[in-house]
Amino acid sequence: GIQVEQSPPDLILQEGANSTLRCNFSDSVNNLQWFHQNPWGQLINLFYIPSGTKQNGRLSATTVATERYSLLYISSSQTTDSGVYFCAFGTASKLTFGTGTRLQVTL
Amino acid sequence: GAGVSQSPSNKVTEKGKDVELRCDPISGHTALYWYRQSLGQGLEFLIYFQGNSAPDKSGLPSDRFSAERTGGSVSTLTIQRTQQEDSAVYLCASSSNRAGANVLTFGAGSRLTVL
Repeated sequence: GIQVEQSPPDLILQEGANSTLRCNFSDSVNNLQWFHQNPWGQLINLFYIPSGTKQNGRLSATTVATERYSLLYISSSQTTDSGVYFCAFGTASKLTFGTGTRLQVTL
Repeated sequence: GAGVSQSPSNKVTEKGKDVELRCDPISGHTALYWYRQSLGQGLEFLIYFQGNSAPDKSGLPSDRFSAERTGGSVSTLTIQRTQQEDSAVYLCASSSNRAGANVLTFGAGSRLTVL
């Protein structure tokens, strides 16, 4: 079946540092999304990115569909970036979520 | 509405009771999804609606789980004869389902605790 692997599982950063989160997926993709789950549990969509590169402020994402991976870049991290980052992959009707990267940004 | 609304936000029930969880999607969103998030299982897909029909209900864990959607809007997830393993946060999401922009917007979730 469809598999989504995320790395690293846990990450601790000092405020201001940059980081790269990785998502590997097992099949060809027409729907790949990145989400941030804040410490209160709310899931926020960051990017819809089945291919190519997108940027939104300090965040950017790149998906290389032919090599079956996606990267999420966080630059100049802030404490509000803390939480769990999920990659989800699949079709229009069903996404399979990875197990997430738990990020803690400290002062 | 402006976002996806779910109710109740918290529900505590006794084993064996039935529960209903409600989702009010973003106005105009034709696609609606239910997911479940539990400590041991991560985020699991339950069911997908396009309009009022459910072309993919492959994630419903057992026949105790059912869902419906009426008027292409509000959806209700019903769990009959609840078990302790049903304890989880039930998340609803909606999407405009436009080709090339199938962005899911999630609600805040309904936390279910089965005693």
